[in-house]
Amino acid sequence: DGGITQSPKYLFRKEGQNVTLSCEQNLNHDAMYWYRQDPGQGLRLIYYSQIVNDFQKGDIAEGYSVSREKKESFPLTVTSAQKNPTAFYLCASSPTGVGNTIYFGEGSWLTVV
Amino acid sequence: AQTVTQSQPEMSVQEAETVTLSCTYDTSESDYYLFWYKQPPSRQMILVIRQEAYKQQNATENRFSVNFQKAAKSFSLKISDSQLGDAAMYFCAYRSAWENTGTASKLTFGTGTRLQVTL
Repeated sequence: DGGITQSPKYLFRKEGQNVTLSCEQNLNHDAMYWYRQDPGQGLRLIYYSQIVNDFQKGDIAEGYSVSREKKESFPLTVTSAQKNPTAFYLCASSPTGVGNTIYFGEGSWLTVV
Repeated sequence: AQTVTQSQPEMSVQEAETVTLSCTYDTSESDYYLFWYKQPPSRQMILVIRQEAYKQQNATENRFSVNFQKAAKSFSLKISDSQLGDAAMYFCAYRSAWENTGTASKLTFGTGTRLQVTL
């Protein structure tokens, strides 16, 4: 089945540790995105990539890092510099082109303990 | 910067009835796209409907339709014949059409409306 796969679905991290969230898509989309969702809020953009080996900061990039070495993969690392990392993280992808619909994965819960 | 406002944190509708969710947005752009996404308890974001700002005709998808008022910057979602499976958070989102600036890559979301469907 075509889609966006995020793993793990639930992750616990100790303070001071880095953690990487995986995102893989087999939709042949060029563009990929990472969003963060906090309770009572909509989604906020962390990073996005429109093509392999290129990515741009979104609205809340501080404390996060990404890579885009393959078209299908866009992992997100939550570093120890992220002050409040506990949240729900959503990966998304879309075809290139203005106004194309952005499709989402099932999300990953990150809890800092 | 664009903003999206959903002024109804919660709404309730009886099964088989019709409900309208409100959304307003602020932008200085003339060309853009608007979306409604549904987020059920599983938390996955599912596209409900999409509207292109340059099209005057309101988008429809089965029981879902929009009332797009460009001058008023309003984009409401109407759900007809509501079903129990419609219970979810609904998010309105804006996407610029100005790709060269990079802003077209960004979806700006409202804070959502929680819809309850009762028997």
